[in-house]
Amino acid sequence: DTGVSQDPRHKITKRGQNVTFRCDPISEHNRLYWYRQTLGQGPEFLTYFQNEAQLEKSRLLSDRFSAERPKGSFSTLEIQRTEQGDSAMYLCASSRFQGLGIRGEAFFGQGTRLTVV
Amino acid sequence: AQKITQTQPGMFVQEKEAVTLDCTYDTSDQSYGLFWYKQPSSGEMIFLIYQGSYDEQNATEGRYSLNFQKARKSANLVISASQLGDSAMYFCAMREGLGENRDDKIIFGKGTRLHILP
Repeated sequence: DTGVSQDPRHKITKRGQNVTFRCDPISEHNRLYWYRQTLGQGPEFLTYFQNEAQLEKSRLLSDRFSAERPKGSFSTLEIQRTEQGDSAMYLCASSRFQGLGIRGEAFFGQGTRLTVV
Repeated sequence: AQKITQTQPGMFVQEKEAVTLDCTYDTSDQSYGLFWYKQPSSGEMIFLIYQGSYDEQNATEGRYSLNFQKARKSANLVISASQLGDSAMYFCAMREGLGENRDDKIIFGKGTRLHILP
């Protein structure tokens, strides 16, 4: 396992369609994050998991967005009824949380670029 | 309120010169971590360096060092002997509340686009 893997790398969909992205974190990492990045901006936090528990959801994550991490390993991010404003890069990151003061850098996948036409 | 501020939208630096990218942060937590990431045009987010709030020494990783000034809430990235391959977007980020049951999202600044000139 050499890093965080995201699939697909690119997705073009028609407005109104549903899309699902997958993220496979680094195997020993217990935390998994989803971010959205639009052109020229920094990544915006969407949600994160500690093992299978979803600990926080951003208000950016509307009802059309849902994320799961059913067995505490890979995660999926689904967008229902896509809109043109959903076009962005969706980034997944993972980290190994060990406790207070422990170095816990997050490693990112290469992202899924979504284009809604 | 913005928690991570990067005041330099773009910078141009001559190759082989050192460059400092500014980052200030806002938190009321005592325990937090600070990160710098590089994002080249290919889009991948590359981890560069990490500084924990309790670390007494400034973090260093090869040509990268983090100038951590806790009282000023400043975490500037210093790149020594810049190279053409350093041209990229650079993001400062923070992780608050390093306790097990605390919210733990990583918050990013808007980034600085660095251009290294030959």
